[in-house]
Amino acid sequence: RKEVEQDPGPFNVPEGATVAFNCTYSNSASQSFFWYRQDCRKEPKLLMSVYSSGNEDGRFTAQLNRASQYISLLIRDSKLSDSATYLCVAFYNQGGKLIFGQGTELSVKP
Amino acid sequence: DAGITQSPRHKVTETGTPVTLRCHQTENHRYMYWYRQDPGHGLRLIHYSYGVKDTDKGEVSDGYSVSRSKTEDFLLTLESATSSQTSVYFCAISDPTSGGADEQFFGPGTRLTVL
Repeated sequence: RKEVEQDPGPFNVPEGATVAFNCTYSNSASQSFFWYRQDCRKEPKLLMSVYSSGNEDGRFTAQLNRASQYISLLIRDSKLSDSATYLCVAFYNQGGKLIFGQGTELSVKP
Repeated sequence: DAGITQSPRHKVTETGTPVTLRCHQTENHRYMYWYRQDPGHGLRLIHYSYGVKDTDKGEVSDGYSVSRSKTEDFLLTLESATSSQTSVYFCAISDPTSGGADEQFFGPGTRLTVL
């Protein structure tokens, strides 16, 4: 079992739709979590940090459920520019290591 | 964007040749990392450094070595490249001494093809 698991998608949604991505992690020692966005053939870029139960940034909301070892990312009012792969990431304090999920591909259509 | 550069950006080499990839940062961050990204595997940690001359192995370190003689530079060496090392390599930096700074910031990547 992978340490961080995501539905790879692809998720194909129309502009304006609300879409949710789920992620589970297996190591309860994970300290904090992140969502990264990666465009095709580019480097991952930090989208949101999730340190406590969750946080919101504009159209994006991330939630963390430590009891269920589950993280989610909600995108409201999807834009064409939201098309990318979204990486769920768990942080382990030892060595400052990040463990990446395989990513969920999102395609927003006109 | 964080000041991270990688060189070369693209490289094609032959099996058995040595290859060195360079990561350079201008942020004075303490931690530096090398990852590889492959379809079906996502990003996997190869080696990381927590200070000058301080390095440790990651998940997929076999066939790779690293060196960090200066804060700003982290080198990844493939002593004898194999076709299984064809991949996209990303460098990342972080600075845990900064407030809330578990985040890592990535360089633009190096596409390596081993024929």
